[in-house]
Amino acid sequence: GNSVTQMEGPVTLSEEAFLTINCTYTATGYPSLFWYVQYPGEGLQLLLKATKADDKGSNKGFEATYRKETTSFHLEKGSVQVSDSAVYFCALRTGRRALTFGSGTRLQVQP
Amino acid sequence: KAGVTQTPRYLIKTRGQQVTLSCSPISGHRSVSWYQQTPGQGLQFLFEYFSETQRNKGNFPGRFSGRQFSNSRSEMNVSTLELGDSALYLCASSLGEGASTDTQYFGPGTRLTVL
Repeated sequence: GNSVTQMEGPVTLSEEAFLTINCTYTATGYPSLFWYVQYPGEGLQLLLKATKADDKGSNKGFEATYRKETTSFHLEKGSVQVSDSAVYFCALRTGRRALTFGSGTRLQVQP
Repeated sequence: KAGVTQTPRYLIKTRGQQVTLSCSPISGHRSVSWYQQTPGQGLQFLFEYFSETQRNKGNFPGRFSGRQFSNSRSEMNVSTLELGDSALYLCASSLGEGASTDTQYFGPGTRLTVL
């Protein structure tokens, strides 16, 4: 079956620090990979996606590269802001199956 | 383009009651999926509807049901509520192409509290 493993949180960083949130996956078939973000009291927002190996998804300064050889899709940002504080979810989808989510990683950015 | 809307945003019910949640997808999207989010279990898939038919189903008891209307709007019903049903219920819509690249867009969720 499909599964997604994310690093445990919370991750606490100072403003302008470099961010990495690790995500690895197992999948039957050839998945598409996603990062979603959830701000307090809100639903999930699509942050970025990649649909084939070596694709790089990017949005709002965040990036993630689809690495088939290491089955990973790590999220990175060069300089975080207080407004980036949220919970980040890595997810995958194969075929018509539903999204499979990781457990989420809470990011706290301090001024 | 308007996003996914869910009503109501908050609900408080008591054990044994039933509840109906509503979701309006993005215009042009034909697939609606429902997820339950709890602190203990994380995000779990309930079911997906496409063209008024249930296309996919998660591992939830029969108390959880849904339907989709011809305009793609969807409702989810939970009967005989239990305390453990307290959760954030998220609706997501997509074009429904049936491929892994079909991206799901989420609504703000309905927060259900069962007392």
